[in-house]
Amino acid sequence: DIQMTQSPSSVSASVGDRVTITCRASQGIASWLAWYQQKPGKAPKFLIYGASTLQTGVPSRFSGSGSGTDFTLTISSLQPEDFATYYCQQASSYPLTFGGGTKVEIK
Amino acid sequence: QVQLQQSGPGLVKPSQTLSLTCAISGDSVSSNSAAWNWIRQSPSRGLEWLGRTYYRSKWYNDYAVSVKSRVIINPDTSKNQFSLQLNSVTPEDTAVYYCAREANWGPAFDYWGQGTLVTVSS
Repeated sequence: DIQMTQSPSSVSASVGDRVTITCRASQGIASWLAWYQQKPGKAPKFLIYGASTLQTGVPSRFSGSGSGTDFTLTISSLQPEDFATYYCQQASSYPLTFGGGTKVEIK
Repeated sequence: QVQLQQSGPGLVKPSQTLSLTCAISGDSVSSNSAAWNWIRQSPSRGLEWLGRTYYRSKWYNDYAVSVKSRVIINPDTSKNQFSLQLNSVTPEDTAVYYCAREANWGPAFDYWGQGTLVTVSS
């Protein structure tokens, strides 16, 4: 199975800050990576696919980059509604696997 | 707009069978381009993909090795839904269970059910 490792596990930030989350795959997955946002008590929300393509309706302050084994999710200017937990997921091979999550908290 | 509505009990006794259903609106369980998945989430295991069912001229299933001996995912074309059965449950199967549709792009999940907390306890 492909292991997905996210860092940091949590980050404290203020509204307007730039936040970067890293995801590393245990083997190369080309651009077969997705990102999700999850708020407490809710299902994950699909944000990005193909490592860098925003799902329809996702604000442009979100961006994704990377290929192979190293990926990043960046929020350029954190908004109040962005405080949540973010997960990466590899879509290269089954079983599909997720990172452990990064919680973005209010500073 | 695709919507997935989950139903099923929130409490299951150890050694019994967990059964959940996911009703689909806005798409078809028999679609030749969609796949229908079950995923669970717990503090100890994080987000864990369990398996999927999909139709490509015939029905196929894929399952995670961790549950393969205990899981069945079935489509129900008459009701446009699919189900999860997990046999011989233990307290380690306590989790929030989600159904989800695979995105057109590839094996990621663009639509999710609301989630069902299933507790395994006597």
